[in-house]
Amino acid sequence: NAGVTQTPKFRILKIGQSMTLQCTQDMNHNYMYWYRQDPGMGLKLIYYSVGAGITDKGEVPNGYNVSRSTTEDFPLRLELAAPSQTSVYFCASSYTKATGPVHEQYFGPGTRLTVT
Amino acid sequence: QKEVEQDPGPLSVPEGAIVSLNCTYSNSAFQYFMWYRQYSRKGPELLMYTYSSGNKEDGRFTAQVDKSSKYISLFIRDSQPSDSATYLCAMSGEYSGAGSYQLTFGKGTKLSVIP
Repeated sequence: NAGVTQTPKFRILKIGQSMTLQCTQDMNHNYMYWYRQDPGMGLKLIYYSVGAGITDKGEVPNGYNVSRSTTEDFPLRLELAAPSQTSVYFCASSYTKATGPVHEQYFGPGTRLTVT
Repeated sequence: QKEVEQDPGPLSVPEGAIVSLNCTYSNSAFQYFMWYRQYSRKGPELLMYTYSSGNKEDGRFTAQVDKSSKYISLFIRDSQPSDSATYLCAMSGEYSGAGSYQLTFGKGTKLSVIP
């Protein structure tokens, strides 16, 4: 199994440009997450999804949008890139038991984004 | 006061040393405590997971939770150069329905084990 894959690995954007960060998991997990990690900072949750067709905002959603049309894919859209969005973006997934989601989140390798 | 505080280091130790990594937190609702390891330019991976207070041991790694002090620790015995990474603590409360589950992460402590 490939686990959680993210593309692209690196990207440089100009201010005002748009792009989509791709995330795919092949573990049939229903929970998926997008985080950003700034230097010396922890992971901040941008958006999450509890299943296909269901998404919700995390701690830092401004400037981003997501969709979840399938269990496998959870793309993150930046519409008008700003320098403040320079960061490393991680996608993660987890599965659920009857009592709720398990706490182990499986992370992708990340996308390094620079906005200049 | 931030919900989770973690000393960012960096921490440099000689090979074979015992390493102690710590986090403090303010939210008494946290019940699940995790340690993730993140190698340079990689995604985090779960290292240890504990529920409520107590100790958990896995090989050279021991996780401790003291809920009365709102303090968690990760101990690494006989540290190896391959342990060089950033260690992130993470925690969450009880699951209470769809959409309620989120992890709160510390900033991470960068550890270097010198051969």
